[in-house]
Amino acid sequence: RKEVEQDPGPFNVPEGATVAFNCTYSNSASQSFFWYRQDCRKEPKLLMSVYSSGNEDGRFTAQLNRASQYISLLIRDSKLSDSATYLCVVMRYNDYKLSFGAGTTVTVRA
Amino acid sequence: NAGVTQTPKFQVLKTGQSMTLQCAQDMNHNSMYWYRQDPGMGLRLIYYSASEGTTDKGEVPNGYNVSRLNKREFSLRLESAAPSQTSVYFCASTDRVFQNYEQYFGPGTRLTVT
Repeated sequence: RKEVEQDPGPFNVPEGATVAFNCTYSNSASQSFFWYRQDCRKEPKLLMSVYSSGNEDGRFTAQLNRASQYISLLIRDSKLSDSATYLCVVMRYNDYKLSFGAGTTVTVRA
Repeated sequence: NAGVTQTPKFQVLKTGQSMTLQCAQDMNHNSMYWYRQDPGMGLRLIYYSASEGTTDKGEVPNGYNVSRLNKREFSLRLESAAPSQTSVYFCASTDRVFQNYEQYFGPGTRLTVT
């Protein structure tokens, strides 16, 4: 079983719509959680960290459910520029290694 | 600041050839990483260097070697390339001081082995 699993999508949504997707992780020792964004054929970049209480950054909301071992990302008022692949990432404190999901592709259409 | 730089950007090798991928960062980060990314899979860690002078195997180290030349540079060597090593390779760095775990990635090297 993969350590981090994501629905690959694609999620095709119109501009202005809300889109949400989850990822699940298998290692209960995972301690830190992140969403990275990757544009086509480019390097991943940190979108936001995910905190236990949930957190927002503008139009993006991240939630963590430790009991069920999943993380979610919600994008409100989607923009064309939100089209990308979103990578779910978990980190273990004991060795600081990151485990990456394969990504969820979001395409926002005009 | 250039951030994380990688060379080359593209490379085609024949089976059995060797090459070294170069990575450098100018952010004074302690830790550096090499990943590979294949279609339908997440980034997989090949090797990492928690600090200057140390290197450790990641999830998929077979067929690769690394050198942490100094604090800035971390190279990845393929001694005898195989088609299974066709992939996109990303170098990353991070500074874990003050609980900042963000990893900064280079632009990637697209390697094809024929």
